Amino acid sequence: ETGVTQSPTHLIKTRGQQVTLRCSSQSGHNTVSWYQQALGQGPQFIFQYYREEENGRGNFPPRFSGLQFPNYSSELNVNALELDDSALYLCASSSYRDRGLNEQFFGPGTRLTVL
Amino acid sequence: AQTVTQSQPEMSVQEAETVTLSCTYDTSESNYYLFWYKQPPSRQMILVIRQEAYKQQNATENRFSVNFQKAAKSFSLKISDSQLGDTAMYFCAFMKPYGNNRLAFGKGNQVVVIP
Repeated sequence: ETGVTQSPTHLIKTRGQQVTLRCSSQSGHNTVSWYQQALGQGPQFIFQYYREEENGRGNFPPRFSGLQFPNYSSELNVNALELDDSALYLCASSSYRDRGLNEQFFGPGTRLTVL
Repeated sequence: AQTVTQSQPEMSVQEAETVTLSCTYDTSESNYYLFWYKQPPSRQMILVIRQEAYKQQNATENRFSVNFQKAAKSFSLKISDSQLGDTAMYFCAFMKPYGNNRLAFGKGNQVVVIP
């Protein structure tokens, strides 16, 4: 069974640039959630993708967008990068259920630094 | 929105001793899930233990156990026989059992196990 993978591991961007982060879900999972973890903080929910559509969004501006592909992998795109976007971005995959436990399995994260 | 509060940002414990981490949460839901996640320096978020709110029995996983007090909205984690590999950030998290099952995390507790 393949776990959740993310790429790249680290990257450095400058303010105003755009970035794309990638996530491959665990085998058998059809849902991907993205979280932002600022230094010294707990992860904050950005959004979730299920069946290639956004299925819930946290308190993040529209310049944070995403995609999910037919193989359930996902991308997180951030436009017009700001210094405060510097963080660890975590991807978590799960099997969607209308009700009940939807346990999420996390990837190792992508560390984004905005200069 | 659910809020999760963790105090005692950093705790040190001698190897083989016991440490307890506190977590409180705020919700109007009657059923939900609570989790403790461990995040070592490798950044991988690892599930330590989970508790379903409708189950009165406290969850136990080997050296890890919880004290779930539903009326007080309290969910503490006890690590017994601490090992050096337990050194990590520990996050308390809340999940509703429906919708997109987003996780709401606390700010975390740093645990350092001293040889």
